[in-house]
Amino acid sequence: GDSVTQMEGPVTLSEEAFLTINCTYTATGYPSLFWYVQYPGEGLQLLLKATKADDKGSNKGFEATYRKETTSFHLEKGSVQVSDSAVYFCALHSYNQGGKLIFGQGTELSVKP
Amino acid sequence: ETGVTQTPRHLVMGMTNKKSLKCEQHLGHNAMYWYKQSAKKPLELMFVYNFKEQTENNSVPSRFSPECPNSSHLFLHLHTLQPEDSALYLCASSQGVAGQNTGELFFGEGSRLTVL
Repeated sequence: GDSVTQMEGPVTLSEEAFLTINCTYTATGYPSLFWYVQYPGEGLQLLLKATKADDKGSNKGFEATYRKETTSFHLEKGSVQVSDSAVYFCALHSYNQGGKLIFGQGTELSVKP
Repeated sequence: ETGVTQTPRHLVMGMTNKKSLKCEQHLGHNAMYWYKQSAKKPLELMFVYNFKEQTENNSVPSRFSPECPNSSHLFLHLHTLQPEDSALYLCASSQGVAGQNTGELFFGEGSRLTVL
């Protein structure tokens, strides 16, 4: 079945460093792809999404491009802040799986001042 | 007020207790979900409701009993739980029928459950 694999964390960076969190997926058909973020003590919230190949989702300085040829949706940010410390979840939505949202295991990011 | 509200935020219970978790959404959504989030494990979808009707039960033990009296409220009734059931329980809602929506979920802040 469809699945999502993220790089393992925790990822620890200094403020203003460049961030990449890798995400690859396995899916039949044409899923939509998402990044959700969970700040400490909170639930998940949608960070960005892309619905078709070559789409780029962006929000709050974060970007991810839907790459069908490499089945990837890596999350990037040019300059992280302490406030970006959170757990990041890659997810796919596919009607082939009954419309479920399938999550990766999450990657914890810690940004130090 | 946030779009999806969960109460209580923290709950400690013994294995013989009966308690309930409550979720309320103020977004006018038609679908509601319960997820379990345990340390070092992926999010686990437990139950899905569309227009108050349960459409999915992911082999969840019967000691977890969901209830959806209307499209805005969702409960998770707990009884005779085990210590391994300790986790963060997240409620979510979505616009449109689950399975036919865009995949965008709106989550509550979760109820942290500890079973002693």
